[in-house]
Amino acid sequence: DTGVSQDPRHKITKRGQNVTFRCDPISEHNRLYWYRQTLGQGPEFLTYFQNEAQLEKSRLLSDRFSAERPKGSFSTLEIQRTEQGDSAMYLCASSLAWTSGTYNEQFFGPGTRLTVL
Amino acid sequence: QKEVEQDPGPLSVPEGAIVSLNCTYSNSAFQYFMWYRQYSRKGPELLMYTYSSGNKEDGRFTAQVDKSSKYISLFIRDSQPSDSATYLCAMSSLQGAQKLVFGQGTRLTINP
Repeated sequence: DTGVSQDPRHKITKRGQNVTFRCDPISEHNRLYWYRQTLGQGPEFLTYFQNEAQLEKSRLLSDRFSAERPKGSFSTLEIQRTEQGDSAMYLCASSLAWTSGTYNEQFFGPGTRLTVL
Repeated sequence: QKEVEQDPGPLSVPEGAIVSLNCTYSNSAFQYFMWYRQYSRKGPELLMYTYSSGNKEDGRFTAQVDKSSKYISLFIRDSQPSDSATYLCAMSSLQGAQKLVFGQGTRLTINP
């Protein structure tokens, strides 16, 4: 396994179009996170899954955003009716769920850079 | 006010210098403190993490956490041009999502 992969790496779309991104986590990882990073800022948490269950969503995740993780494997993040403010790098990370006394690193993918014209 | 504050720089130093990067935070629930390195147009990669207060050393890198002051630092000794990147501090609590809360990132350039 070579790590977390994301597809596509770059996406240019026109305002109002729908886009979908895919993340393939490290195979044995049961947690999957989505973050958004705008230029000059650190990543911000959007949502996370433990196995196939989406357990938390940030207030940043408007109703135009939806994420899924069918069968607890890969995940998709869809943005409907894109706006220019959605332009950002969308990062996926995966980890094992933390257990008492053990820190499990979140491994990040290379990100999908979205540009909304 | 953001939960985690980090000076965005940019910071430019000569090769071989000691670099000091810092973050402050406001959430007392944070228990794990991480430093990530991010190269341009890449995902962040973990450099090191510290649990609660204390110091941790890994080669040329030393992380310090002072929970009483809500202040964390990363020191880079004998800095190399290959250390040029954006350095992000990140923090997490033990509860719930254990999501990472990042600082803004400091852009560092090491000049040969």
